[in-house]
Amino acid sequence: KAGVTQTPRYLIKTRGQQVTLSCSPISGHRSVSWYQQTPGQGLQFLFEYFSETQRNKGNFPGRFSGRQFSNSRSEMNVSTLELGDSALYLCASSLMASGGLNEQFFGPGTRLTVL
Amino acid sequence: GIQVEQSPPDLILQEGANSTLRCNFSDSVNNLQWFHQNPWGQLINLFYIPSGTKQNGRLSATTVATERYSLLYISSSQTTDSGVYFCAVERSGGYQKVTFGIGTKLQVIP
Repeated sequence: KAGVTQTPRYLIKTRGQQVTLSCSPISGHRSVSWYQQTPGQGLQFLFEYFSETQRNKGNFPGRFSGRQFSNSRSEMNVSTLELGDSALYLCASSLMASGGLNEQFFGPGTRLTVL
Repeated sequence: GIQVEQSPPDLILQEGANSTLRCNFSDSVNNLQWFHQNPWGQLINLFYIPSGTKQNGRLSATTVATERYSLLYISSSQTTDSGVYFCAVERSGGYQKVTFGIGTKLQVIP
């Protein structure tokens, strides 16, 4: 069974631009969560989607948004990029309907650099 | 919000040595998971362990939910064990459902 895939793997943008990252969960998994990892703040939860609905969200500004499609693939968007948005963005999928940790499986991440 | 503390923050081991990593959390949790992040950034599941003890090869983990801690044991360490080990907890409700610790950075030297 294929794992969680994320595209692109690397991305360089400039301040003020917007970016869209994509995540395809493990086949059959319907819950997708997004995390931001930075050296200063560690791993922080962004949001979680299940059946195309945002079920939970972390403490991030409205510039960070996401969505999930009927095939469970998810995208996250960051608008008006700031230097501090440079980070590794990780996507995780899980099988259980209740989401949360429930044996989350992570993708390889997208490393975003904002110049 | 819930606080998750991991110790030690850094650890250097000689190949073949054993180690214990600790994760303390400040409130009741529904679930707890241990991950290993390799040097390329990939997070790999080690244990899904809200309570009790589990073993997988040279690794084992114990969570004592009533005392709000979990331990990860690594025996006969190998250089491939190097990386960062994270503990993550999930609480039943509230704004930020999943919280990660800051990790333990392990370096195993030959």
